[in-house]
Amino acid sequence: SQTIHQWPATLVQPVGSPLSLECTVEGTSNPNLYWYRQAAGRGLQLLFYSVGIGQISSEVPQNLSASRPQDRQFILSSKKLLLSDSGFYLCAWSPGQAEKLFFGSGTQLSVL
Amino acid sequence: GQSLEQPSEVTAVEGAIVQINCTYQTSGFYGLSWYQQHDGGAPTFLSYNALDGLEETGRFSSFLSRSDSYGYLLLQELQMKDSASYFCAVGGGTGGFKTIFGAGTRLFVKA
Repeated sequence: SQTIHQWPATLVQPVGSPLSLECTVEGTSNPNLYWYRQAAGRGLQLLFYSVGIGQISSEVPQNLSASRPQDRQFILSSKKLLLSDSGFYLCAWSPGQAEKLFFGSGTQLSVL
Repeated sequence: GQSLEQPSEVTAVEGAIVQINCTYQTSGFYGLSWYQQHDGGAPTFLSYNALDGLEETGRFSSFLSRSDSYGYLLLQELQMKDSASYFCAVGGGTGGFKTIFGAGTRLFVKA
């Protein structure tokens, strides 16, 4: 069966520090991968998605970037965090045309 | 671009039926899906419609009308554990891989 791993569960970072969140999928090949951010009590904002290694579509460039160095690995990064980067970050994967997304458990990021 | 609208809150009593509506605008529509999210948790998939009509999965059903750019999620025999946020999401863009979510509907189930 397929599983998605996302870590850490919580993260507290000072303003201006770098960020690296990693997500890996097991049990499938060539998944479509997604990064979303959710503010408290709000909807999911699509940040990046990838349909293959090295292929990244950016929806909200700002000071975030994403990379897909391996087929089942998706990394979200920032060189300098802003206060506005705080939120619940969710990684997800889908097998096909995004008819069904499977989410990781999320990372609660607090930038102080 | 893509956008979705759904009510912010719905309240219903245990055992009742509730319908959560969703209207959308998108280019290259590939399907409408629904997700449930409990506080502090990740969204979980509930249902998906690519074609017009009703899809039934246990107590949950989802409906789609592509000509009206409209869909709804129907929850029957409501239980307290159904209290959660419900999101509609639309797949679009080139190849249908770009999935955008609505702002979510908070469902409160009362005893």
